[in-house]
Amino acid sequence: GAVVSQHPSWVICKSGTSVKIECRSLDFQATTMFWYRQFPKQSLMLMATSNEGSKATYEQGVEKDKFLINHASLTLSTLTVTSAHPEDSSFYICSARAMSREQFFGPGTRLTVL
Amino acid sequence: GEDVEQSLFLSVREGDSSVINCTYTDSSSTYLYWYKQEPGAGLQLLTYIFSNMDMKQDQRLTVLLNKKDKHLSLRIADTQTGDSAIYFCAERDGNNRLAFGKGNQVVVIP
Repeated sequence: GAVVSQHPSWVICKSGTSVKIECRSLDFQATTMFWYRQFPKQSLMLMATSNEGSKATYEQGVEKDKFLINHASLTLSTLTVTSAHPEDSSFYICSARAMSREQFFGPGTRLTVL
Repeated sequence: GEDVEQSLFLSVREGDSSVINCTYTDSSSTYLYWYKQEPGAGLQLLTYIFSNMDMKQDQRLTVLLNKKDKHLSLRIADTQTGDSAIYFCAERDGNNRLAFGKGNQVVVIP
C-alpha cells in the first residue's frame, strides 16, 4: 500500500513553455501533498505544501505565480511550471500524506528545459 | 529553520556493516527518519524513530538516537550491493513538514 505515482517521469521542453506534472496517491486519500525540487547531488528542498481544496502554502523564495499548484481531489495534485527556463531544470518530487500518516514519495519527474 | 547535517560519502565492502551519521538542530522534533534514494528515483522510507526512543532495530537496520547531542545514526548490517544509494535523514517539524539532510552516498564494493 501507500503508492504515489508521478507523471511524466521525465520531460524535455523549450524555454518559455509550461509543463504540468501530476502526482497521484494510488491507494489512499491524501489530505496533504508536498512538492520538492532536488538539484544534482543535493538534498530535497520543499517548495510548497498543498491541502485538498485549499490554496497551497509556498516556502520562502518560491514564486507562486511561477509554480502553480492545484490539489483538486484527495488523490491528485498538479504542479505547473509556467514559462519554464533552463534554471528550472531539476528533479521534482512529490509526496502525499493521509491523516496522521507518514509521507510517501513519488518516483520523481526529471525536467529539462532547453 | 531546521538544519540537518550529514557527511557525504561512504564506501563499504559487501558483508560489512555501514554507519551513516546525521545531526539535527530542532530539539522539538518528534520523529526522525531515514530515507533511501536510488539513482533517478524518489525516496523510500526505510525506518523512523520517535524522539523518546534511544534505539530501534528493524532487520538489518539499527537506528540510534542521542537526543542530548541531537545525533542520529543508521547502521546497516551485512551491507549488500542493493544498499548502494543515497541516504537522507530527516526531521519532522512542528508543522509536520520534513527537513532533509544533504544526503550520504553509500557505495557497496562487491
